[in-house]
Amino acid sequence: GIQVEQSPPDLILQEGANSTLRCNFSDSVNNLQWFHQNPWGQLINLFYIPSGTKQNGRLSATTVATERYSLLYISSSQTTDSGVYFCAVGRSNDYKLSFGAGTTVTVRA
Amino acid sequence: EADIYQTPRYLVIGTGKKITLECSQTMGHDKMYWYQQDPGMELHLIHYSYGVNSTEKGDLSSESTVSRIRTEHFPLTLESARPSHTSQYLCASSLVGYEAFFGQGTRLTVV
Repeated sequence: GIQVEQSPPDLILQEGANSTLRCNFSDSVNNLQWFHQNPWGQLINLFYIPSGTKQNGRLSATTVATERYSLLYISSSQTTDSGVYFCAVGRSNDYKLSFGAGTTVTVRA
Repeated sequence: EADIYQTPRYLVIGTGKKITLECSQTMGHDKMYWYQQDPGMELHLIHYSYGVNSTEKGDLSSESTVSRIRTEHFPLTLESARPSHTSQYLCASSLVGYEAFFGQGTRLTVV
Protein backbone atom coordinates (compact mmCIF):
# COMPACT_ATOMS: atom_id res chain seq x y z
CA GLY A 1 0.00 0.00 0.00
CA ILE A 2 0.86 3.66 -0.13
CA GLN A 3 3.10 4.91 2.68
CA VAL A 4 2.04 8.18 4.30
CA GLU A 5 4.36 10.19 6.53
CA GLN A 6 3.24 13.21 8.52
CA SER A 7 5.44 15.76 10.21
CA PRO A 8 5.95 16.96 12.81
CA PRO A 9 4.43 14.31 15.08
CA ASP A 10 3.70 16.90 17.77
CA LEU A 11 3.27 20.66 17.63
CA ILE A 12 2.78 23.07 20.52
CA LEU A 13 1.61 26.56 19.62
CA GLN A 14 0.80 29.74 21.41
CA GLU A 15 -2.63 31.11 20.57
CA GLY A 16 -2.40 33.37 17.53
CA ALA A 17 0.61 31.61 16.01
CA ASN A 18 0.76 30.20 12.49
CA SER A 19 1.87 26.67 11.61
CA THR A 20 2.44 24.26 8.74
CA LEU A 21 1.78 20.52 8.80
CA ARG A 22 3.27 18.29 6.12
CA CYS A 23 2.15 15.04 4.51
CA ASN A 24 4.45 13.02 2.23
CA PHE A 25 3.22 10.00 0.30
CA SER A 26 5.05 7.28 -1.56
CA ASP A 27 3.04 6.90 -4.78
CA SER A 28 0.73 8.79 -7.10
CA VAL A 29 -2.74 9.33 -5.68
CA ASN A 30 -6.16 10.40 -6.89
CA ASN A 31 -7.54 11.25 -3.47
CA LEU A 32 -6.04 13.22 -0.62
CA GLN A 33 -7.95 14.37 2.42
CA TRP A 34 -7.11 16.25 5.60
CA PHE A 35 -9.06 15.48 8.78
CA HIS A 36 -9.20 16.90 12.28
CA GLN A 37 -9.98 14.40 15.00
CA ASN A 38 -11.81 16.03 17.87
CA PRO A 39 -11.48 14.99 21.54
CA TRP A 40 -14.50 12.70 21.16
CA GLY A 41 -12.77 10.75 18.40
CA GLN A 42 -14.80 11.95 15.45
CA LEU A 43 -12.99 12.70 12.19
CA ILE A 44 -14.00 16.06 10.76
CA ASN A 45 -13.38 16.66 7.06
CA LEU A 46 -11.16 19.67 6.47
CA PHE A 47 -10.15 19.40 2.83
CA TYR A 48 -10.53 17.09 -0.13
CA ILE A 49 -7.48 18.16 -2.11
CA PRO A 50 -5.86 15.70 -4.54
CA SER A 51 -4.14 18.69 -6.18
CA GLY A 52 -4.03 22.46 -6.03
CA THR A 53 -4.79 24.89 -3.23
CA LYS A 54 -7.91 25.46 -1.15
CA GLN A 55 -8.78 27.78 1.69
CA ASN A 56 -11.45 27.60 4.37
CA GLY A 57 -11.32 30.40 6.90
CA ARG A 58 -8.07 30.25 8.85
CA LEU A 59 -7.12 26.92 7.29
CA SER A 60 -5.65 26.35 3.87
CA ALA A 61 -4.07 23.40 2.10
CA THR A 62 -1.84 22.81 -0.89
CA THR A 63 -1.12 19.53 -2.64
CA VAL A 64 1.73 19.15 -5.14
CA ALA A 65 0.82 15.77 -6.56
CA THR A 66 3.84 15.54 -8.87
CA GLU A 67 6.16 15.89 -5.88
CA ARG A 68 3.99 13.71 -3.61
CA TYR A 69 3.33 16.03 -0.72
CA SER A 70 0.62 18.15 0.81
CA LEU A 71 0.73 21.00 3.32
CA LEU A 72 -1.91 22.15 5.78
CA TYR A 73 -1.62 25.72 7.06
CA ILE A 74 -3.20 26.94 10.26
CA SER A 75 -3.17 30.69 10.72
CA SER A 76 -3.96 32.67 13.89
CA SER A 77 -4.37 29.43 15.81
CA GLN A 78 -7.04 29.11 18.50
CA THR A 79 -7.38 26.68 21.38
CA THR A 80 -10.20 24.98 19.49
CA ASP A 81 -7.67 23.99 16.81
CA SER A 82 -6.12 21.52 19.24
CA GLY A 83 -6.41 17.87 18.32
CA VAL A 84 -4.92 15.39 15.91
CA TYR A 85 -4.67 16.20 12.22
CA PHE A 86 -4.61 13.28 9.82
CA CYS A 87 -3.67 13.12 6.17
CA ALA A 88 -5.16 10.25 4.14
CA VAL A 89 -4.53 9.27 0.53
CA GLY A 90 -6.03 6.85 -1.94
CA ARG A 91 -6.03 5.68 -5.53
CA SER A 92 -9.11 5.35 -7.69
CA ASN A 93 -8.32 1.73 -8.56
CA ASP A 94 -8.82 0.43 -5.01
CA TYR A 95 -10.85 3.19 -3.33
CA LYS A 96 -9.14 2.68 0.05
CA LEU A 97 -7.74 5.50 2.15
CA SER A 98 -4.33 5.04 3.79
CA PHE A 99 -3.72 7.22 6.83
CA GLY A 100 -0.62 8.83 8.23
CA ALA A 101 0.20 8.65 11.93
CA GLY A 102 -1.13 12.15 12.49
CA THR A 103 0.17 15.42 13.93
CA THR A 104 -0.97 16.24 17.45
CA VAL A 105 -1.49 19.99 17.77
CA THR A 106 -1.78 21.68 21.15
CA VAL A 107 -2.69 25.37 21.18
CA ARG A 108 -2.09 27.14 24.50
CA ALA A 109 -3.96 30.26 25.57
CA GLU B 1 -22.74 17.82 6.69
CA ALA B 2 -22.27 14.09 6.18
CA ASP B 3 -25.16 11.74 6.91
CA ILE B 4 -23.44 8.68 8.30
CA TYR B 5 -24.39 7.27 11.68
CA GLN B 6 -22.87 4.76 14.02
CA THR B 7 -24.46 3.12 17.03
CA PRO B 8 -23.73 2.67 19.81
CA ARG B 9 -21.29 5.49 20.56
CA TYR B 10 -19.92 3.66 23.59
CA LEU B 11 -20.15 -0.02 24.49
CA VAL B 12 -18.77 -1.90 27.48
CA ILE B 13 -19.30 -5.63 27.22
CA GLY B 14 -18.08 -8.84 28.82
CA THR B 15 -15.68 -11.33 27.28
CA GLY B 16 -17.33 -13.93 25.06
CA LYS B 17 -20.37 -11.85 24.13
CA LYS B 18 -21.48 -11.38 20.54
CA ILE B 19 -21.72 -7.77 19.44
CA THR B 20 -22.81 -5.90 16.32
CA LEU B 21 -21.74 -2.36 15.59
CA GLU B 22 -24.15 -0.52 13.34
CA CYS B 23 -23.28 1.87 10.51
CA SER B 24 -25.78 3.54 8.20
CA GLN B 25 -25.51 6.27 5.59
CA THR B 26 -28.18 8.14 3.70
CA MET B 27 -25.99 9.60 0.95
CA GLY B 28 -26.37 6.71 -1.49
CA HIS B 29 -22.63 6.03 -1.40
CA ASP B 30 -21.57 2.73 -2.91
CA LYS B 31 -18.29 2.41 -1.02
CA MET B 32 -18.23 1.77 2.72
CA TYR B 33 -15.35 1.10 5.10
CA TRP B 34 -14.54 0.06 8.67
CA TYR B 35 -11.39 1.38 10.34
CA GLN B 36 -9.94 0.46 13.73
CA GLN B 37 -8.04 2.99 15.81
CA ASP B 38 -6.27 2.45 19.12
CA PRO B 39 -5.88 5.54 21.36
CA GLY B 40 -3.34 7.98 19.97
CA MET B 41 -2.63 5.84 16.95
CA GLU B 42 -3.35 5.91 13.22
CA LEU B 43 -6.40 4.39 11.56
CA HIS B 44 -6.17 0.92 10.01
CA LEU B 45 -8.61 -0.42 7.43
CA ILE B 46 -10.19 -3.71 8.54
CA HIS B 47 -13.09 -4.14 6.06
CA TYR B 48 -14.50 -2.46 2.97
CA SER B 49 -17.32 -2.91 0.51
CA TYR B 50 -17.72 -1.79 -3.10
CA GLY B 51 -21.49 -2.30 -3.04
CA VAL B 52 -24.30 -4.67 -2.12
CA ASN B 53 -23.12 -8.25 -1.52
CA SER B 54 -19.47 -7.14 -1.86
CA THR B 55 -17.13 -7.29 1.14
CA GLU B 56 -13.35 -7.45 1.37
CA LYS B 57 -10.82 -7.67 4.18
CA GLY B 58 -8.64 -4.65 4.74
CA ASP B 59 -4.96 -4.22 5.47
CA LEU B 60 -5.21 -5.05 9.17
CA SER B 61 -6.30 -8.56 10.08
CA SER B 62 -9.46 -8.61 12.18
CA GLU B 63 -11.59 -11.32 13.75
CA SER B 64 -14.69 -9.29 12.97
CA THR B 65 -17.02 -9.92 10.02
CA VAL B 66 -19.18 -7.57 7.96
CA SER B 67 -22.17 -7.79 5.65
CA ARG B 68 -23.66 -5.48 3.00
CA ILE B 69 -27.20 -6.54 2.23
CA ARG B 70 -28.44 -2.99 1.65
CA THR B 71 -26.55 -0.05 0.16
CA GLU B 72 -27.07 2.13 3.21
CA HIS B 73 -26.17 -0.40 5.92
CA PHE B 74 -22.76 -1.94 6.76
CA PRO B 75 -22.78 -3.65 10.18
CA LEU B 76 -19.70 -5.15 11.84
CA THR B 77 -19.99 -8.24 14.04
CA LEU B 78 -17.73 -9.83 16.62
CA GLU B 79 -18.91 -13.36 17.43
CA SER B 80 -16.98 -13.60 20.70
CA ALA B 81 -15.55 -10.38 22.10
CA ARG B 82 -12.17 -10.39 23.81
CA PRO B 83 -10.23 -7.67 25.68
CA SER B 84 -7.87 -7.43 22.67
CA HIS B 85 -10.84 -6.11 20.66
CA THR B 86 -10.99 -3.00 22.85
CA SER B 87 -10.57 -0.09 20.45
CA GLN B 88 -12.42 2.62 18.54
CA TYR B 89 -14.19 1.52 15.37
CA LEU B 90 -14.90 4.13 12.69
CA CYS B 91 -17.20 3.66 9.71
CA ALA B 92 -16.88 5.70 6.50
CA SER B 93 -18.51 5.94 3.10
CA SER B 94 -17.73 7.51 -0.26
CA LEU B 95 -18.56 7.56 -3.94
CA VAL B 96 -15.99 6.16 -6.34
CA GLY B 97 -12.80 8.20 -6.09
CA TYR B 98 -14.42 10.97 -4.11
CA GLU B 99 -14.36 12.38 -0.62
CA ALA B 100 -14.90 9.96 2.26
CA PHE B 101 -17.04 10.87 5.27
CA PHE B 102 -16.82 9.29 8.70
CA GLY B 103 -19.34 8.47 11.37
CA GLN B 104 -18.85 9.49 15.00
CA GLY B 105 -17.22 6.18 15.89
CA THR B 106 -17.92 3.46 18.45
CA ARG B 107 -15.65 3.12 21.47
CA LEU B 108 -15.67 -0.55 22.42
CA THR B 109 -14.37 -1.82 25.76
CA VAL B 110 -14.33 -5.56 26.42
CA VAL B 111 -13.89 -6.48 30.07
